[in-house]
Amino acid sequence: AQRVTQPEKLLSVFKGAPVELKCNYSYSGSPELFWYVQYSRQRLQLLLRHISRESIKGFTADLNKGETSFHLKKPFAQEEDSAMYYCALSAGGYQKVTFGTGTKLQVIP
Amino acid sequence: ETGVTQSPTHLIKTRGQQVTLRCSSQSGHNTVSWYQQALGQGPQFIFQYYREEENGRGNFPPRFSGLQFPNYSSELNVNALELDDSALYLCASSLSDGSRYNEQFFGPGTRLTVL
Repeated sequence: AQRVTQPEKLLSVFKGAPVELKCNYSYSGSPELFWYVQYSRQRLQLLLRHISRESIKGFTADLNKGETSFHLKKPFAQEEDSAMYYCALSAGGYQKVTFGTGTKLQVIP
Repeated sequence: ETGVTQSPTHLIKTRGQQVTLRCSSQSGHNTVSWYQQALGQGPQFIFQYYREEENGRGNFPPRFSGLQFPNYSSELNVNALELDDSALYLCASSLSDGSRYNEQFFGPGTRLTVL
């Protein structure tokens, strides 16, 4: 069975402070990991995926297979980063995506 | 290019009734997935359709069924509605070969309330 755990429901940081949204997963094989973001009154959208190894809007995420983690990081938070963030996993040969419960990031001006 | 659309936006039903939710995929996409998102939870995978056939299913009972049409629009049908079916239902489309993940584009969702 595959599972994604996001331990924090809410993360509040000041503008300019570093951000780390935690994500741990369980899956016996080699999954694909993603971060999705939902801004206020907008649709759920893909932020980044681990195989791309790219930085999107200043965010990066490194897959740590030993710790089964895929934490999302940004060195300096901006107010426009305030949103709901979901960590997700895809495995099993098709496009089933298992989502975590989400972390609401609140950037305080 | 048209994005993913869903109808209706909101729906209220009573226990035991049946409901049909609709999704229009993004132009050119051949795969659609449906998710249920209860309040305070992440989306939960219901099933996926690839080229009009079910291509994977999550842990949902058979009273959740679906269809994908030749134009790649899709329906989610739920029979014998229960109170716990109250949720936001999301549809997501993608262009894929049916075996690997490709970026899914989500619709705005249909909010279903079961009384």
